[in-house]
Amino acid sequence: AQSVTQPDIHITVSEGASLELRCNYSYGATPYLFWYVQSPGQGLQLLLKYFSGDTLVQGIKGFEAEFKRSQSSFNLRKPSVHWSDAAEYFCAVGGNQGGKLIFGQGTELSVKP
Amino acid sequence: NAGVTQTPKFHILKIGQSMTLQCTQDMNHNYMYWYRQDPGMGLKLIYYSVGAGITDKGEVPNGYNVSRSTTEDFPLRLELAAPSQTSVYFCASSWRTGGTDTQYFGPGTRLTVL
Repeated sequence: AQSVTQPDIHITVSEGASLELRCNYSYGATPYLFWYVQSPGQGLQLLLKYFSGDTLVQGIKGFEAEFKRSQSSFNLRKPSVHWSDAAEYFCAVGGNQGGKLIFGQGTELSVKP
Repeated sequence: NAGVTQTPKFHILKIGQSMTLQCTQDMNHNYMYWYRQDPGMGLKLIYYSVGAGITDKGEVPNGYNVSRSTTEDFPLRLELAAPSQTSVYFCASSWRTGGTDTQYFGPGTRLTVL
């Protein structure tokens, strides 16, 4: 079955600290992996995506993610968090199998001053 | 270029009433989607469309209907509203199939059914 698991429902980090949000997926074919961010009261915006090639991908706002096929993971990282990064983050998996996107439950990030 | 627009932003509906949520995109995307978002549940696909005149069910289609008469518009119809349809609804669009391409989301419609 196709699925995405984000083990952390809520994470709090201090401003300036590093961040890692976890994402594990299950997909029966070559996965296309996405991270979206949702600011309060807003729609979702793409942070980054992985289709193939270099397993470390760079996105907007200083975020990066690493694809690890052996661990079925696609964790999101940022070296230094800013207060404006407080938002909800969604990992998603898709591909040519069914043509739809499967979203994780989301991780809410709070940033302490 | 407005992207994906949705109306209304907020609405309160009484049980048994019907309404249509509007969605328009100006990016000439072939693919359009309707999702609902419930707390702690991520986004669930309700219906999607691969082009004008072609629609298909997603994961949670019961209680909803859609149509796609033009490339730009993809309205979502709620018939006989129930409290279980209280949710935030997002419309999205993409150039290629949504499993492989970036989806662009509207700002959402927050619907309460009382």
